[in-house]
Amino acid sequence: DQQVKQNSPSLSVQEGRISILNCDYTNSMFDYFLWYKKYPAEGPTFLISISSIKDKNEDGRFTVFLNKSAKHLSLHIVPSQPGDSAVYFCAASASTGTYKYIFGTGTRLKVLA
Amino acid sequence: NAGVTQTPKFRVLKTGQSMTLLCAQDMNHEYMYWYRQDPGMGLRLIHYSVGEGTTAKGEVPDGYNVSRLKKQNFLLGLESAAPSQTSVYFCASARGQGSGGYTFGSGTRLTVV
Repeated sequence: DQQVKQNSPSLSVQEGRISILNCDYTNSMFDYFLWYKKYPAEGPTFLISISSIKDKNEDGRFTVFLNKSAKHLSLHIVPSQPGDSAVYFCAASASTGTYKYIFGTGTRLKVLA
Repeated sequence: NAGVTQTPKFRVLKTGQSMTLLCAQDMNHEYMYWYRQDPGMGLRLIHYSVGEGTTAKGEVPDGYNVSRLKKQNFLLGLESAAPSQTSVYFCASARGQGSGGYTFGSGTRLTVV
């Protein structure tokens, strides 16, 4: 049973427009969420995080929104740039002291110049 | 500053052979993790460690063993490789919650024929 779901395997966006990547989770114990970006042949790199006490976190062009009642989070990239083309993973963890993260299946973003 | 280093980067094994993947981190992180990435499956946790001398099972531990004899190293062993273990393996380390999540290595691509 997939506890973290990214239902869109791929997304194409024009350069300069907004990219919105979505993530749903089922476990109500999750209280910390991350987004990672992955380029081919490289390890994932941390992008932005949000804890369950917030509903929004911003870092430059990247904003993550959390809707706890809907068990949904989204990553907004504004404006999108060709260098943002990568696979994006959301991940969730519960405060159990192990800091284990459950990852979604990823969304491949392509930003068209 | 190397971060997380995985060796080897590529390996081809025959069914039934054994091998050990090495993960080394130089950030003095307590927590270390092994994930595998398969198409359409995202990143799945194999085993993890919350400190030197400790190990625990993740989502997909069968067919793998791990050891954390030194804080900086986390070894993943395959005793008798199977084609189903063909995957890309990522090691990650973390200081703890709220620290920005994991730092990943660049991965080991393993093919079992």
